[in-house]
Amino acid sequence: ELKVEQNPLFLSMQEGKNYTIYCNYSTTSDRLYWYRQDPGKSLESLFVLLSNGAVKQEGRLMASLDTKARLSTLHITAAVHDLSATYFCAVDIWTSGSRLTFGEGTQLTVNP
Amino acid sequence: SAVISQKPSRDICQRGTSLTIQCQVDSQVTMMFWYRQQPGQSLTLIATANQGSEATYESGFVIDKFPISRPNLTFSTLTVSNMSPEDSSIYLCSVAGGTALTNTQYFGPGTRLTVL
Repeated sequence: ELKVEQNPLFLSMQEGKNYTIYCNYSTTSDRLYWYRQDPGKSLESLFVLLSNGAVKQEGRLMASLDTKARLSTLHITAAVHDLSATYFCAVDIWTSGSRLTFGEGTQLTVNP
Repeated sequence: SAVISQKPSRDICQRGTSLTIQCQVDSQVTMMFWYRQQPGQSLTLIATANQGSEATYESGFVIDKFPISRPNLTFSTLTVSNMSPEDSSIYLCSVAGGTALTNTQYFGPGTRLTVL
């Protein structure tokens, strides 16, 4: 059974600081997703990482994937309040890109 | 990307009743999925909705409790049957695999269900 673990589960940080969220998974997969969820809202797709060594950046967020270590990271640079949300990683065990197993989520709060 | 709508957006239901949730996509998609998100929790896949065949259910979910229809490439329904308070959750449909989509999986706005 595929397990996906995120840490930390709760993260409170100051604006302007950097931090990294980690996502470990237990079964071989070459496809990892990061999503953002605001309170009461659905999931917004942030990144899709499709191969070992993949790195993607959008604004203050950068995601990377190490399939050998079964680890993905979501790095936050110079955090701003608007980044406050819950972040989920999800791993796909189908090569067609579909059947997702989600991590527990990291609730991020960025304080002024 | 895909524009996904769900109906209803929220509902409050009585124990023992059933609710059917609709998911509509603005383009044809190969795969549609139904997830459950219990309060304060992560998402759990309920089933994969296959067009023209029966849905494929994940461990812990059965067709009698969560019957699914997928009549065409843009539409699916999930029914939550014989509801109990434990069924109170957000139910989300998602889609993947279509000419308008990239490699990612897109989620609908969700249906917030409360069972009394």
